[in-house]
Amino acid sequence: DTGVSQNPRHKITKRGQNVTFRCDPISEHNRLYWYRQTLGQGPEFLTYFQNEAQLEKSRLLSDRFSAERPKGSFSTLEIQRTEQGDSAMYLCASSSSGTAYEQYFGPGTRLTVT
Amino acid sequence: ELKVEQNPLFLSMQEGKNYTIYCNYSTTSDRLYWYRQDPGKSLESLFVLLSNGAVKQEGRLMASLDTKARLSTLHITAAVHDLSATYFCAVTGKLIFGQGTTLQVKP
Repeated sequence: DTGVSQNPRHKITKRGQNVTFRCDPISEHNRLYWYRQTLGQGPEFLTYFQNEAQLEKSRLLSDRFSAERPKGSFSTLEIQRTEQGDSAMYLCASSSSGTAYEQYFGPGTRLTVT
Repeated sequence: ELKVEQNPLFLSMQEGKNYTIYCNYSTTSDRLYWYRQDPGKSLESLFVLLSNGAVKQEGRLMASLDTKARLSTLHITAAVHDLSATYFCAVTGKLIFGQGTTLQVKP
């Protein structure tokens, strides 16, 4: 068990470009979550998957955001036409029913949009 | 809309002192979580509280849950510098987080 991993750890992009982040959950976990955290705030829920099914999306997730978990293992989060307001830490977490859905977080991807 | 409020938001305390962080939430939730975050780092799970009256302790930290009052507390006993961090409470399965309490323990 190597924990939740995320790549890249840092991403600097110009406004208007597309970016994609990857999350690899703990291998036996069937649930995967994405959150966004800005400086000085708590993480905000974006979306979650159970296996490959995307079960809920926050209203924060505009049409420019899309997430996938094609085989129920790793997940990707894509942001199209990035804006400066997208600058944040994007956190991924995973959980299983056997642990009361306790979520284990990855190290995050810090996005800076210039 | 479900809201989670923590207080205080910032706490500066001396080593050896005791203090309590409060977490109030606005609607029913069958579970409550406490996390720790060090600057520039991700979140570390501290406690999962699943029922009314649940109490869990780890080292100098003790968490409790009162679902009727929609209140959880994180009590710090005899604080040490290593406890300096930001502490978040969160509720429900998809995790609605409080604003966080930044704890600074001074020697």
